[in-house]
Amino acid sequence: NAGVTQTPKFQVLKTGQSMTLQCAQDMNHEYMSWYRQDPGMGLRLIHYSVGAGITDQGEVPNGYNVSRSTTEDFPLRLLSAAPSQTSVYFCATKRVPGLVFPETQYFGPGTRLLVL
Amino acid sequence: KQEVTQIPAALSVPEGENLVLNCSFTDSAIYNLQWFRQDPGKGLTSLLLIQSSQREQTSGRLNASLDKSSGRSTLYIAASQPGDSATYLCAVREYGGSQGNLIFGKGTKLSVKP
Repeated sequence: NAGVTQTPKFQVLKTGQSMTLQCAQDMNHEYMSWYRQDPGMGLRLIHYSVGAGITDQGEVPNGYNVSRSTTEDFPLRLLSAAPSQTSVYFCATKRVPGLVFPETQYFGPGTRLLVL
Repeated sequence: KQEVTQIPAALSVPEGENLVLNCSFTDSAIYNLQWFRQDPGKGLTSLLLIQSSQREQTSGRLNASLDKSSGRSTLYIAASQPGDSATYLCAVREYGGSQGNLIFGKGTKLSVKP
């Protein structure tokens, strides 16, 4: 049981390049989300999904795309990277409420992204 | 718009001291509140989750309380140890919305000195 995994751990991009940050979980959690963490700003929600085929925007979605084709995977795509997207990105998962499970959220180890 | 504030931003204490970290939120209509620990360069680890109907939760040397009416939560750490050094984050989940989105405070960076 690996929990929540994220790849890569660290990436350097040039402005305008594209890339995909990977997030995978083996806990069969319906809910998955992406946050970015910036100094002095705390964590902010980018996109989230409540199940395969269902995604929605969070607080700071501009410049990012997501899709959810399976329960296990929730990739985050940067189509044209900008220096403002330099950040640490975290994926988080949990059970969907309404079921008798704790609401605890589980976070991945993060991906550090530097856009030059 | 919900805002979560954590005071102090940083705290340094000698080993063995009992300490309290504070979290406040502007809208009392929360579903739950969760305390996380983050070690440098690492992800977040959930410490305690308090449902809106609960007043406190305990795990080992940690005790978290919740006062919804005043918009406050505290994390009490008993007999602090150097291994407790980390950043502690408070996050609230609101009713409605997306079923799970968290609103985070900026954290309290704790340093416990031997």
